[in-house]
Amino acid sequence: EAEVAQSPRYKITEKSQAVAFWCDPISGHATLYWYRQILGQGPELLVQFQDESVVDDSQLPKDRFSAERLKGVDSTLKIQPAELGDSAMYLCASSSRVDQAYEQYFGPGTRLTVT
Amino acid sequence: AQSVAQPEDQVNVAEGNPLTVKCTYSVSGNPYLFWYVQYPNRGLQFLLKYITGDNLVKGSYGFEAEFNKSQTSFHLKKPSALVSDSALYFCAVRRDKIIFGKGTRLHILP
Repeated sequence: EAEVAQSPRYKITEKSQAVAFWCDPISGHATLYWYRQILGQGPELLVQFQDESVVDDSQLPKDRFSAERLKGVDSTLKIQPAELGDSAMYLCASSSRVDQAYEQYFGPGTRLTVT
Repeated sequence: AQSVAQPEDQVNVAEGNPLTVKCTYSVSGNPYLFWYVQYPNRGLQFLLKYITGDNLVKGSYGFEAEFNKSQTSFHLKKPSALVSDSALYFCAVRRDKIIFGKGTRLHILP
């Protein structure tokens, strides 16, 4: 069964350092999402791509976060500089269509700890 | 504004008993409603969704959910709980944006 791949699975970094996460969606899925999940809370959407274009990044802290999906396949989420409050699970998900009725398929996540 | 509420942080059910995990929502217009399950150190897995039509929807692993428009609820149910159902369950509503609830931890007691 096809899965969403994410790496690394765990990342420890010091505050003020740069960190990057990678996601490879299910083959053929045009829509890709990045979420942040703080312990004890549900996922919060950071950015949504349709192919290589950003559809929604209204919740992305653009002063320190950036995301790209240059060829419309895999994607990278970057934080620079990292802050203590960025410690969370970062989830990537993909969907076959941008239609809101379609369910999303999630990767295993990257757990970030900022010290 | 959209919102979704899962009023219970944790639900404990004895194995073999029926289970219910509650979800209520607030959205303008017709909602798209989803349930996802999260096992330890895993991403979320899709269980079921309501888009339109029959108010009772069936999903994976024997789960079902009932859409109640008048009560703005979408409770997750299963007739007979298994220990393996123990996990974190998230309700989500989507209308323009997708909003997840804070999650309910389901603990099935052997």
